[in-house]
Amino acid sequence: GAVVSQHPSRVICKSGTSVKIECRSLDFQATTMFWYRQFPKKSLMLMATSNEGSKATYEQGVEKDKFLINHASLTLSTLTVTSAHPEDSSFYICSASGVAGSFGGTDTQYFGPGTRLTVL
Amino acid sequence: GQNIDQPTEMTATEGAIVQINCTYQTSGFNGLFWYQQHAGEAPTFLSYNVLDGLEEKGRFSSFLSRSKGYSYLLLKELQMKDSASYLCAVRDSNYQLIWGAGTKLIIKP
Repeated sequence: GAVVSQHPSRVICKSGTSVKIECRSLDFQATTMFWYRQFPKKSLMLMATSNEGSKATYEQGVEKDKFLINHASLTLSTLTVTSAHPEDSSFYICSASGVAGSFGGTDTQYFGPGTRLTVL
Repeated sequence: GQNIDQPTEMTATEGAIVQINCTYQTSGFNGLFWYQQHAGEAPTFLSYNVLDGLEEKGRFSSFLSRSKGYSYLLLKELQMKDSASYLCAVRDSNYQLIWGAGTKLIIKP
């Protein structure tokens, strides 16, 4: 149980294009979804937290217009990197919480496999 | 500020035991998580502690002392596949997860 998928797993795009990453909870309804980015050998950096049907809460320093988050349903959230630039190249990981009976309660986060974005 | 400290890297031998420490200073405490992350992959949940003491799950155990702001992850009978980064994360009073930078564990034959 508690499986989270992410698509695509890897994307290479040209500078200036937009990239959409999907995050789905496959076997549970995710009350909350989280988007992280991670640079090589660095810790996870939370970008934003989203609840179904409401606007995402962005962390300080994360541009809302640059990283568009839509949480359309209890099983799907999308992150769109708009007008991507080489400095946006990173490993983007989503997680979802809301599994009743989890160790740590329903706030325990389960992670998707990640998306490696390379902007040329 | 909020801070979580873990060793950057540790090396251990296959079949041995290793203890990865984590100390934290956070605004409140609502549980501590350990995650395993293999290179190029997303983290996977390992354990959760909210009360003092030891939680055992197979070869992995996690310990918590809230008064000392300290936890450790104990890995027994190490296998080569245990080579990974181990992330300590604390949930603060706002139920936000504060992440450590992770400990890279290298297992040698």
